[in-house]
Amino acid sequence: DAKTTQPNSMESNEEEPVHLPCNHSTISGTDYIHWYRQLPSQGPEYVIHGLTSNVNNRMASLAIAEDRKSSTLILHRATLRDAAVYYCILFSGNTGKLIFGQGTTLQVKP
Amino acid sequence: SQTIHQWPATLVQPVGSPLSLECTVEGTSNPNLYWYRQAAGRGLQLLFYSVGIGQISSEVPQNLSASRPQDRQFILSSKKLLLSDSGFYLCAWSFGGNQPQHFGDGTRLSIL
Repeated sequence: DAKTTQPNSMESNEEEPVHLPCNHSTISGTDYIHWYRQLPSQGPEYVIHGLTSNVNNRMASLAIAEDRKSSTLILHRATLRDAAVYYCILFSGNTGKLIFGQGTTLQVKP
Repeated sequence: SQTIHQWPATLVQPVGSPLSLECTVEGTSNPNLYWYRQAAGRGLQLLFYSVGIGQISSEVPQNLSASRPQDRQFILSSKKLLLSDSGFYLCAWSFGGNQPQHFGDGTRLSIL
């Protein structure tokens, strides 16, 4: 399974944009890029996913590099409720398996 | 809309006792179902997944088993719990393919 690399932790100020990077240099052509987040003592929550083109939804935006070897999750205005562990995962429908790494712990300061 | 239910939320069991955790999904049919475990301070590990009734794939050798007696019901079991079975157990469902997975609120299992 292809792996991802994320910073262990990041900090942001409330109401400012946050850019969470993810490197996935061994991504294959059929791998989708999925992002989940996990708040303390809760199950992971799906955030966004994409294949090649940038994606937007009500929670966030996903910017995917042209060579697909990296991507960035963008939270446009961080709130205190966005403090969580964010996981970048390469997902292949062939296996149907999500392989979770350690993720990035995002702290949001008021 | 679809919802996923897991129970109980918290469970304390003695070593050697049996276990049964249940997960049900509402609002969809023939979902893919998953059991994950998260040890303290660590990432999630996939334990089992199922693409249909009676179809179970195990990801890691362990003291646990899974069953899917009905389309939207997924059960995690053990005959004799070990201390190492402690953790946060999460059930998830998806439509399959490249569609995202949706998680329940989890069961925190402590073994004494």
